[in-house]
Amino acid sequence: DSGVTQTPKHLITATGQRVTLRCSPRSGDLSVYWYQQSLDQGLQFLIQYYNGEERAKGNILERFSAQQFPDLHSELNLSSLELGDSALYFCASSVLSRTDTQYFGPGTRLTVL
Amino acid sequence: AQKVTQAQTEISVVEKEDVTLDCVYETRDTTYYLFWYKQPPSGELVFLIRRNSFDEQNEISGRYSWNFQKSTSSFNFTITASQVVDSAVYFCALSEARNSGNTPLVFGKGTRLSVIA
Repeated sequence: DSGVTQTPKHLITATGQRVTLRCSPRSGDLSVYWYQQSLDQGLQFLIQYYNGEERAKGNILERFSAQQFPDLHSELNLSSLELGDSALYFCASSVLSRTDTQYFGPGTRLTVL
Repeated sequence: AQKVTQAQTEISVVEKEDVTLDCVYETRDTTYYLFWYKQPPSGELVFLIRRNSFDEQNEISGRYSWNFQKSTSSFNFTITASQVVDSAVYFCALSEARNSGNTPLVFGKGTRLSVIA
């Protein structure tokens, strides 16, 4: 158990809908990362937050957004969903230092029908 | 730009055989970190090891060992006496060091290891 929690574990929805994925980092970790794992793109970094502020952006679509709240949990919002958004979405957390390691949550498997 | 290449897409071995998973990386930074993660069939990503660019000493942890060679930009992972429970997808990843904290991970495509009893 990495100490990172993600809910829900599975999500099935229809095209055009909007969903919210939730992540709670490990105790003491201030940084949260979101990654997408799909069959064709592999594991890709989406976005990073540190102590409530956006720190880095990767290959995140404009239809996707995220935020980190004062209690450090983070939410990833996916809107106008398309079939191609079906993937495993991981959240990771770290202390954010030069020697830090990212620990991953169990992931949320999103299926868009 | 950072890049991680895992040329072996799938490997199949018989239990108790040794197996080496290859990882080749590209970076222009002199300070960086290399990682291996395991993704078992249950789907979670499990951290295995972190190695910094200044430490080329090989590491052994039980049946696992890692060989880091800067000269060939490689960070290979060997499992000795493989077991069925080692069956998983293994990812190599790279992060570059910054004073404000390391960059997000860049992953290879992964190697699927199947250990047959």
